Amino acid sequence: DGGITQSPKYLFRKEGQNVTLSCEQNLNHDAMYWYRQDPGQGLRLIYYSQIVNDFQKGDIAEGYSVSREKKESFPLTVTSAQKNPTAFYLCASSIRGGRSSEKLFFGSGTQLSVL
Amino acid sequence: AQSVTQPDIHITVSEGASLELRCNYSYGATPYLFWYVQSPGQGLQLLLKYFSGDTLVQGIKGFEAEFKRSQSSFNLRKPSVHWSDAAEYFCAVAGTDKLIFGTGTRLQVFP
Repeated sequence: DGGITQSPKYLFRKEGQNVTLSCEQNLNHDAMYWYRQDPGQGLRLIYYSQIVNDFQKGDIAEGYSVSREKKESFPLTVTSAQKNPTAFYLCASSIRGGRSSEKLFFGSGTQLSVL
Repeated sequence: AQSVTQPDIHITVSEGASLELRCNYSYGATPYLFWYVQSPGQGLQLLLKYFSGDTLVQGIKGFEAEFKRSQSSFNLRKPSVHWSDAAEYFCAVAGTDKLIFGTGTRLQVFP
C-alpha cells in the first residue's frame, strides 16, 4: 500500500540536542511538507519542498532544518536553537508542488517531547 | 490577508443528532476550500473540497459542506452523527503557495 511513514512515533530530546524526524513516502509525489501542531493552534507550516534538491521556509522555520536529497524522503531536524520543540509534527505530501489546491496526504505524526 | 476562522473550539453532540461546524475564510479571489478530519494521535484525512461549480459538495463518511460566497463561509454538516465521528476537524483555504488551516474544532459525541 502506498502512503507516508513517519518515525519514530514518540521522540524525546535532551537540552542542547539535535534530533531528526523521518518522513518517507512511496506515493511518487513531488511535493512534501512539514507541519507543527500545538493544542489550540492548528497546523503551522515549517518547511516545504516542491521538488528534489529544493525547499522553502514556511511560517515557523527558525530552529529547524530539512533536506530533500531523494524524492521519497524529507527528514526534519529540530536543532538546539528551537527553544520550545515540544509538539506533534506532521509530514505531508501532494502530487505536485506549486499549487496549494492539491490534496495533502498525511503521515501519522511524531510526538516530540523535551526531557 | 488570507485566513481561516473556526469560531467553535469544542462542540458536543449526542449520537444521531445533526451537526454543523462553522468555517469562515478571508481570501481575495475565488477560494479553494477544504475540510480535513484528524483522529487522536493521527494525521489528517481529506473529507471534501470545493473548487468551483455546485456550492454544495459531498464528501466521505456522509459529510457535506456548503460554500456561501456572500457570507465567506464553508460550513461542514452531517445529518446524523455517529460515535466514530468524534475527532478534530480542520477547515483550510488554498493560499498562494500553501494551505492555510483554521485552528480546528474538536467534536465530542455522547451516546
